[in-house]
Amino acid sequence: EAGVAQSPRYKIIEKRQSVAFWCNPISGHATLYWYQQILGQGPKLLIQFQNNGVVDDSQLPKDRFSAERLKGVDSTLKIQPAKLEDSAVYLCASSFGQLGETQYFGPGTRLLVL
Amino acid sequence: AQSVTQLDSQVPVFEEAPVELRCNYSSSVSVYLFWYVQYPNQGLQLLLKYLSGSTLVESINGFEAEFNKSQTSFHLRKPSVHISDTAEYFCAVDTGRRALTFGSGTRLQVQP
Repeated sequence: EAGVAQSPRYKIIEKRQSVAFWCNPISGHATLYWYQQILGQGPKLLIQFQNNGVVDDSQLPKDRFSAERLKGVDSTLKIQPAKLEDSAVYLCASSFGQLGETQYFGPGTRLLVL
Repeated sequence: AQSVTQLDSQVPVFEEAPVELRCNYSSSVSVYLFWYVQYPNQGLQLLLKYLSGSTLVESINGFEAEFNKSQTSFHLRKPSVHISDTAEYFCAVDTGRRALTFGSGTRLQVQP
């Protein structure tokens, strides 16, 4: 079974530029998550989708971050414009969305903002 | 709001020694508890989880964790560690939102 795919794996940009990350979840998983993991910290939820609808985006900085999951499968996360403090690993995870269910994580995209 | 505290950022230990990684959480509602592991250059993967029933849960590679409701803890233990256990370990809770709140992680460094 294929795991969660993410691209690119690494990205270096300058502040005020824009960047986009892509995620393809495990086939059949209705729920998709984007987490931000800053160096030395645990992952923090940015946004949670159930199919193509947003369940929770309370911690998403909406003035610069946006995310979509148009067909209920793959998803993109965008940052525009990027700030130095956005340097982090962006993790995508997916699950069927049941209580207590295991989330499966992708390898992450490591973003460095200069 | 819920939170997860992992007091030890790094735990150095010699091979074949026992280890305990501590995790405490705060929540006003019932929780589901998880330990995830991140091996060097790999993604996060589930190690074990507590949903209900027996408070002691085990993983396939010898780790175990015990849910203690009165102390709001979910400490991870292994009686004898191997070099291959070197990794970062994250404790996480789900309060029914189907999303995880993670601790800051503990880096386990197993030395020969």
